[in-house]
Amino acid sequence: KQEVTQIPAALSVPEGENLVLNCSFTDSAIYNLQWFRQDPGKGLTSLLLIQSSQREQTSGRLNASLDKSSGRSTLYIAASQPGDSATYLCAVTGGATNKLIFGTGTLLAVQP
Amino acid sequence: GAVVSQHPSWVICKSGTSVKIECRSLDFQATTMFWYRQFPKQSLMLMATSNEGSKATYEQGVEKDKFLINHASLTLSTLTVTSAHPEDSSFYICSADKPADTQYFGPGTRLTVL
Repeated sequence: KQEVTQIPAALSVPEGENLVLNCSFTDSAIYNLQWFRQDPGKGLTSLLLIQSSQREQTSGRLNASLDKSSGRSTLYIAASQPGDSATYLCAVTGGATNKLIFGTGTLLAVQP
Repeated sequence: GAVVSQHPSWVICKSGTSVKIECRSLDFQATTMFWYRQFPKQSLMLMATSNEGSKATYEQGVEKDKFLINHASLTLSTLTVTSAHPEDSSFYICSADKPADTQYFGPGTRLTVL
């Protein structure tokens, strides 16, 4: 059974810092991995999608990497801003279905 | 991108009543939709996969007679929480699978059972 873990569970940084969020998964036979952002009481916003054949994806200040063999992904946020404060979730898709298995989440607070 | 809506955005009901939540894909057709539940400060847990024109597939531990799913058209799936109890209070989120793309998520429905 696929299990997805995120470290740290919570992170507080001053504005302007670069930071890394970690995601690990137990079954490397994934189809893709996604990073999402969730604001309090809201739905999910997809940030980056990495196919299993890819090593990384970039969007603006965000860069996500994938090391499928070791079961790890990182989300790098450059020059963090208070508006980046949210919960960040990673999720993997694997097997014959399109089910998403979500990680435990990292609650990020960027202090002005 | 694509847009998925949910209605209502929040609902408060008395214990023992049933509540219906709608999930709509507004600008694409979705053969498959998913329903998730999220308890406070926890991650999303998949409840069931909703397939248009056929029965939903429920995850282990989810009572199919309590959480009724109907995917009657390619743009609408409904989740009915029957005989709701306080422990059913949660944030319910749906997603719609856009073909050759990815899942797009609705904004969620906050259910509070008194």
